[in-house]
Order: sequence, then structure tokens, then C-alpha cells
Amino acid sequence: GESVGLHLPTLSVQEGDNSIINCAYSNSASDYFIWYKQESGKGPQFIIDIRSNMDKRQGQRVTVLLNKTVKHLSLQIAATQPGDSAVYFCAGNTGANSKLTFGKGITLSVRP
Amino acid sequence: GAGVSQTPSNKVTEKGKYVELRCDPISGHTALYWYRQSLGQGPEFLIYFQGTGAADDSGLPNDRFFAVRPEGSVSTLKIQRTERGDSAVYLCASSLVVGNEQFFGPGTRLTVL
Repeated sequence: GESVGLHLPTLSVQEGDNSIINCAYSNSASDYFIWYKQESGKGPQFIIDIRSNMDKRQGQRVTVLLNKTVKHLSLQIAATQPGDSAVYFCAGNTGANSKLTFGKGITLSVRP
Repeated sequence: GAGVSQTPSNKVTEKGKYVELRCDPISGHTALYWYRQSLGQGPEFLIYFQGTGAADDSGLPNDRFFAVRPEGSVSTLKIQRTERGDSAVYLCASSLVVGNEQFFGPGTRLTVL
């Protein structure tokens, strides 16, 4: 089955710096990955996604990189802001299987 | 427009009691998902519906858990004979169709004493 996990439990960055959050997955058949942001007391909020036929995708201030060779996914946040403080999850699924498998989550803390 | 809503936001019950958790998906979304999130963990899949039917219930932990979506819109997650280990946040998500982006509700925090 799918196993998705994050390398580090917490990340502290200075406001204005770039943040990089990493994630590893175990199922080489996974073909769709999503990054979610979760603030306290709220449900996960979609940030960006990427399909396995791509290795990079950019959004507003965020970039997701996918390395299928080593089964690694990363989320880069440019010019991190206090509002980016939250728990971040990577999630993946396979083909027509719509259920998402989430990693444990990493807390991003932005220092003013 | 309105997002996914869940009621109640908090539910405290005693061990052995029966509980129902409600999810109102985004209007027009045909797919609805239930996940469970324990403290410090990522959400874990329970079940999803395509229309009125449960397309995949492989994540339900045991037969005390059951979910319905009789009219293809609102869904209810039902837990019988609750146990302390059932304490968690229960998240609902919906998507326009299966495979599209899933939009999550705020969750119901269930505490079993």
C-alpha cells in the first residue's frame, strides 16, 4: 500500500526567507500528489498538486518538485510570511483510486 | 459560495454510546469522502461515496462504523458503541467528481469519555 511521510516534524524559518518542506512516498505506482495546509481548528486546505508525468509545478509563491527516481516530493514557499504558519501535509493517490494517503504533517513556524 | 460544512463542530460522548456526524458537501459535488485525523497525524481515509453509493469503504476500522448518503448530498457517519480510541477529528471532503480536487470541511471533534 501507499505510505507517505515527512522527513521532519517541525520547521522554523525567518519571515521573508524561503521554506522547503520535504516528503517521501513508498508506492511507486502513485501518480497524483497534493500538498495541503492545515491551520488550527480547520480542515486541510489545498495548496498545489502535481501529476507523475511532471517534475515541477509552480503556483503563486509555491513550487512543488517531484523526483520519481527517489520517490521524493518537496514544497517550496517563497518569501515565507507569518500567514504561512500551519501544519503542512503531503498526500498521494493512485490512478482511479480516489482515496488520499496523507503523511504525518510538519509544522511550519515563521519567526517575525 | 458555501464550502463543506460539518455538524456538530464538537461532540462529547460516553463510552458505549451511539453518535452521528453530519456532512453537507458543496452543492453539486457528486463525490464525498470521510477521513479521520488523530492528534499529530495526517487524515486517514475511511470511506467515499460516488452519488448515493459507497464506492470504497475499505478504511472503516470495523463494523461499528457506518456511513450513508441516501440522496446523494448530505452524508451521515454513524458510530455505534463508541470507544475511547474513536476520539479524533472526523473530516469530510467533497469533490465535483471523483478524482478532482477534494475540498475539506472544518471537521467534527469527537471525544469519547
